[in-house]
Amino acid sequence: GENVEQHPSTLSVQEGDSAVIKCTYSDSASNYFPWYKQELGKGPQLIIDIRSNVGEKKDQRIAVTLNKTAKHFSLHITETQPEDSAVYFCAAGSPGGYQKVTFGTGTKLQVIP
Amino acid sequence: EPEVTQTPSHQVTQMGQEVILRCVPISNHLYFYWYRQILGQKVEFLVSFYNNEISEKSEIFDDQFSVERPDGSNFTLKIRSTKLEDSAMYFCASTRGLGEKLFFGSGTQLSVL
Repeated sequence: GENVEQHPSTLSVQEGDSAVIKCTYSDSASNYFPWYKQELGKGPQLIIDIRSNVGEKKDQRIAVTLNKTAKHFSLHITETQPEDSAVYFCAAGSPGGYQKVTFGTGTKLQVIP
Repeated sequence: EPEVTQTPSHQVTQMGQEVILRCVPISNHLYFYWYRQILGQKVEFLVSFYNNEISEKSEIFDDQFSVERPDGSNFTLKIRSTKLEDSAMYFCASTRGLGEKLFFGSGTQLSVL
């Protein structure tokens, strides 16, 4: 089955700086890569996703990149704000497979004011 | 924004007891899921449900687990005889269609003593 590795496990940045979280996956058939943000006491919330026919996607301060050859993808948050502090999960899956996704281990991001 | 609702938020039970975790997916959604997250570990897929039947399940979802959609709004996960290792946060999720956004509930923290 699919295996998703995520790094780093914790990340502290100063407000205004950029944060980068990296993930690798094992199954070359995976073609859907969502990113979730989990705040304390809440379930994972989708913040951005990318499909394998796209190498990069951007939504305001958030961008994701995908390298299918190397089987890795990254989340970039620019101009970080304290409200960005949360646990971020990457995931990999196949939209055609009833949308089951395999999660990474999570990155706890702390933005220091 | 519409929400997936889960009850209870916390459930404490004795080993060997049956528990039922309840979820109300978003009303016009057709695909339903259960995931779990053991403390400090990744979010893991348990089962997907569509058209009143299980469409896919993981190795974790053994004979002790079952799911049901007893009426038009609820989606339940039953664990027949709980074990200590069942202690985890259980997330319900739903989506309107394949390839669409997956919405997660806030989770039920299950503690088996």
